[in-house]
Amino acid sequence: GQNIDQPTEMTATEGAIVQINCTYQTSGFNGLFWYQQHAGEAPTFLSYNVLDGLEEKGRFSSFLSRSKGYSYLLLKELQMKDSASYLCAVRAPYNTDKLIFGTGTRLQVFP
Amino acid sequence: GAVVSQHPSRVICKSGTSVKIECRSLDFQATTMFWYRQFPKKSLMLMATSNEGSKATYEQGVEKDKFLINHASLTLSTLTVTSAHPEDSSFYICSAPTGKTPNEQFFGPGTRLTVL
Repeated sequence: GQNIDQPTEMTATEGAIVQINCTYQTSGFNGLFWYQQHAGEAPTFLSYNVLDGLEEKGRFSSFLSRSKGYSYLLLKELQMKDSASYLCAVRAPYNTDKLIFGTGTRLQVFP
Repeated sequence: GAVVSQHPSRVICKSGTSVKIECRSLDFQATTMFWYRQFPKKSLMLMATSNEGSKATYEQGVEKDKFLINHASLTLSTLTVTSAHPEDSSFYICSAPTGKTPNEQFFGPGTRLTVL
């Protein structure tokens, strides 16, 4: 089966950098996604990692280590609008359309 | 980018009634769609995979007779919560894979169901 863990809540200050970790255990790794979800809204796609290393996309970067079953999402130059939940998800090993979501991390950015 | 819509956005119903939620892919075809349930301040829990032209695949612990799924066309999947009870109150979200690398999911805006 799959098991995906994230910290439940994090806080940070506007302008700072925050790293949100995700550890996973899966019977067959096939890709990892990060999504952002504001309260009461649909999740939106942020990043995708399938190979080890860092993927950078503007203020957001995502890192993957397959040997460690570990990923993180790095948010730089935090803005108030970054206050949201961040969801880590891995593809199901037997169905590349299906995603298994982690517990999600609620990030609150303070002025 | 791809757009997924859901209707209704909010519904309040009496206990014992059935509620239908629609999920549409507006500018792409989706042979597969997914239905999730989300409790307050919690992550998404996958309920079932909706397959166009065939039966839905339900996750363990999800009652298929309670949550009826129909995927009658390549752009529409419906979730019907039958004989709803207060414990069914939740945020229901659908998604569809884009079919293009990396095949991320596009999510609908969600439906807030409140059962009185």
